[in-house]
Formats: sequence, C-alpha cells, structure tokens
Amino acid sequence: DAKTTQPNSMESNEEEPVHLPCNHSTISGTDYIHWYRQLPSQGPEYVIHGLTSNVNNRMASLAIAEDRKSSTLILHRATLRDAAVYYCILRAAYSGAGSYQLTFGKGTKLSVIP
Amino acid sequence: ETGVTQTPRHLVMGMTNKKSLKCEQHLGHNAMYWYKQSAKKPLELMFVYSLEERVENNSVPSRFSPECPNSSHLFLHLHTLQPEDSALYLCASSQASWGGQGANGYTFGSGTRLTVV
Repeated sequence: DAKTTQPNSMESNEEEPVHLPCNHSTISGTDYIHWYRQLPSQGPEYVIHGLTSNVNNRMASLAIAEDRKSSTLILHRATLRDAAVYYCILRAAYSGAGSYQLTFGKGTKLSVIP
Repeated sequence: ETGVTQTPRHLVMGMTNKKSLKCEQHLGHNAMYWYKQSAKKPLELMFVYSLEERVENNSVPSRFSPECPNSSHLFLHLHTLQPEDSALYLCASSQASWGGQGANGYTFGSGTRLTVV
C-alpha cells in the first residue's frame, strides 16, 4: 500500500468542526482512501472511504483533492466521544498479492477540549 | 458491539502455557484477520483468511497458530510465548469480493489484551 502522512496530534474544541489532513502524494489511480479511528481500549472502527468524489456519511465527510494527492476527514461537530487516533489508509482496488493488507501508520491523535 | 466478538477480553498466561483466542462474526463476511498491536506501535497484520483459506502469513513465529474452521470463526492458538508477545490482539472481518479489496471496509473486534508472564 502507498504511504500516507498525517500530523501526530491535533486539538479541537467541543462542538467545533475538525479537519484532519492526510497527504498521499504517491497514490495510484486505483487506490481507495480509507479512514479508521481507534478509541482508547478498543479496536479500530471504520469511518469512511472514497475514491475520487467527496463522500458523506453519518459519522463524517471525506474531501478528496482533485489530484487525489491529499484528503481531509471532516467531523462537523466534535464531541468528547470523538477523541481517538485517526488513521488514513490507502487500499489497492485490485486483487493480488498484498491486496488484503490494511496497513496502519501512527495516525493522528485527536484531543477534544470541553 | 461491532458485530465481531473476541474472547477472552483479557488473558494472562505463563510462557509454558497453551491458550487460544477466539473470534466470531455474524456479519456475513468471508475474510477474517488477526492483527497485533504492541504498546506505542502501529497495528501489524499477522494472518489473513479468505473463504476459510489462509492467504497471508506475515512472517509470524510458529508459536502463533491460526485456525479458521468456517467463515464465521477464527482462532489464534498460542504456545510457549515470550514476554515480548504481550500485546492487544485484534480480529477483523471484511467482505472479500472478486476484483479486489479496496472498496471494502473492515470491522474490528475489541481485542484480547494478552500478558505473558
């Protein structure tokens, strides 16, 4: 899987929007952009994924740059329960060796201030 | 609950013991995974099963032995572990589809916190 770069940590005030950036300059044309988060003492939780167009779901929005070399996960109103480590991961769309890999980096630790 | 259930939640074992971790999913997924998460390190993929067949084994020591008897159950058999094997062991599942994995999300369990003494 291609490499992603995220800030180590970010802070947000409660009920404010949060924009979590991810750079993936070596993304290939068939890579999907996935976001997961891991709350303390829990397993990772799927948040959202996209390929080229911006995506919205009940948890978050994903904004993908036109050249696909970066993306931003948007939490519209941060709550204390959103404090977690957020992982941006690229997933190859095709089958083949390594296609089952979901490779986690260090992610961004989001702190939410009451 | 996420739909992926792992038992036990906590396990303490001696280096000469044999124990097993269990994972169960009823999401209709046909691929299952074992990950290891050590303190302050990224998650590491250990094993992958797709359609009950092992498709990846990421150079994991033989003291870890996976078993997938059917598409809903996954085990990790442990024997003669070392203290450095203490970690959070996570199970995940996904829908493996023809044509690739990229579009499919993973569902993780809450993990088993293993301590080897």
